[in-house]
Amino acid sequence: GNSVTQMEGPVTLSEEAFLTINCTYTATGYPSLFWYVQYPGEGLQLLLKATKADDKGSNKGFEATYRKETTSFHLEKGSVQVSDSAVYFCALSDVITQGGSEKLVFGKGTKLTVNP
Amino acid sequence: DTEVTQTPKHLVMGMTNKKSLKCEQHMGHRAMYWYKQKAKKPPELMFVYSYEKLSINESVPSRFSPECPNSSLLNLHLHALQPEDSALYLCASSQRSKRPLSNYGYTFGSGTRLTVV
Repeated sequence: GNSVTQMEGPVTLSEEAFLTINCTYTATGYPSLFWYVQYPGEGLQLLLKATKADDKGSNKGFEATYRKETTSFHLEKGSVQVSDSAVYFCALSDVITQGGSEKLVFGKGTKLTVNP
Repeated sequence: DTEVTQTPKHLVMGMTNKKSLKCEQHMGHRAMYWYKQKAKKPPELMFVYSYEKLSINESVPSRFSPECPNSSLLNLHLHALQPEDSALYLCASSQRSKRPLSNYGYTFGSGTRLTVV
């Protein structure tokens, strides 16, 4: 099956610093790629997605580009805020049945703490 | 309504208790999912319901029993759990369960934090 390798945290940054969280994947076929964010005590929220090579997903100042040649989907933000403190999960879609049912496969998550 | 609502938010139960987790969505989604998330770990898929029928069981122990009474509701019945079952249980929904999932995405609920004592 498909898998995701995500940079281990925790990551601690000062406000307005540049953020990169690395994510690489192993997949057969052409999975879709996602970044989810989980704030303390909450469920997961979709942050951005990309469905094919060279697609760029973006939302709330975060960006990630689907790089097929390097099998990567790194998350970046130019200037982080304290409110960005959360756990970030890279994920991809994986076919789990012959009928085409899919599930999300998550990386281990990266905890980001932004200090004022 | 663009939310998935889970109740209760917190649950403490003994190993001999029977309890149920509930999940509700009114987005017209026809696929619903249960995920289990242990502390500092990613979510792991437990069950997939597609058009109210169980389509995927990821080898989950029988002490967890899912139920989908209609297209808006998903339950998870719990019986004779072990302390190691303590976790955050997340419900999610999507328009459908089949590829391309990317076109539909998942909407997650906030979860039920379960503690088994």
